[in-house]
Amino acid sequence: ETGVTQTPRHLVMGMTNKKSLKCEQHLGHNAMYWYKQSAKKPLELMFVYSLEERVENNSVPSRFSPECPNSSHLFLHLHTLQPEDSALYLCASSQEGGVHEQYFGPGTRLTVT
Amino acid sequence: GDSVTQMEGPVTLSEEAFLTINCTYTATGYPSLFWYVQYPGEGLQLLLKATKADDKGSNKGFEATYRKETTSFHLEKGSVQVSDSAVYFCALRGGGGADGLTFGKGTHLIIQP
Repeated sequence: ETGVTQTPRHLVMGMTNKKSLKCEQHLGHNAMYWYKQSAKKPLELMFVYSLEERVENNSVPSRFSPECPNSSHLFLHLHTLQPEDSALYLCASSQEGGVHEQYFGPGTRLTVT
Repeated sequence: GDSVTQMEGPVTLSEEAFLTINCTYTATGYPSLFWYVQYPGEGLQLLLKATKADDKGSNKGFEATYRKETTSFHLEKGSVQVSDSAVYFCALRGGGGADGLTFGKGTHLIIQP
């Protein structure tokens, strides 16, 4: 595997389910990010982890819970979601310590029924 | 806070036409600027970047120049192809630290043969 991978690519879940999204980066980066992409809206930054510590949480509801066990893996745990949470969830990684671009995974298309 | 404004489209052009997608930004300090492209069903790919005033980023025939005086980073290509059909995102990143990107809403580009 190369770059940034995300699983699953598609997920349908009910409002009472609990599921997790997984992201893995194979680039040796030390920062990882979760973004939400909804139709007709700009990409929204949700969480930032640098050196496995959370450094930013943009007022995301508590039904979204991130986890970063090491610099290569990032999870987004989901529970009691709402239909308006249906979106494409994108993971990204970058190397901190300078001006470095972020590399994105293909995303997980989430539908909440 | 930081913000990015870009034309939303869709922008429809004929093959070999000249392309301009406008992007303006508001930010404190000296941000880095990026253009990302998203093909159907995929994540975002970095197209080009510029890190300081008057820098020109270029890739695959696309160019953009960092204009601090007009706070702009317009994307141009001299002759577009059908394969350039995609959504293009302008983004900025503030100085220093593990910061997420601030994105525009994206411009849907459609190239007709």
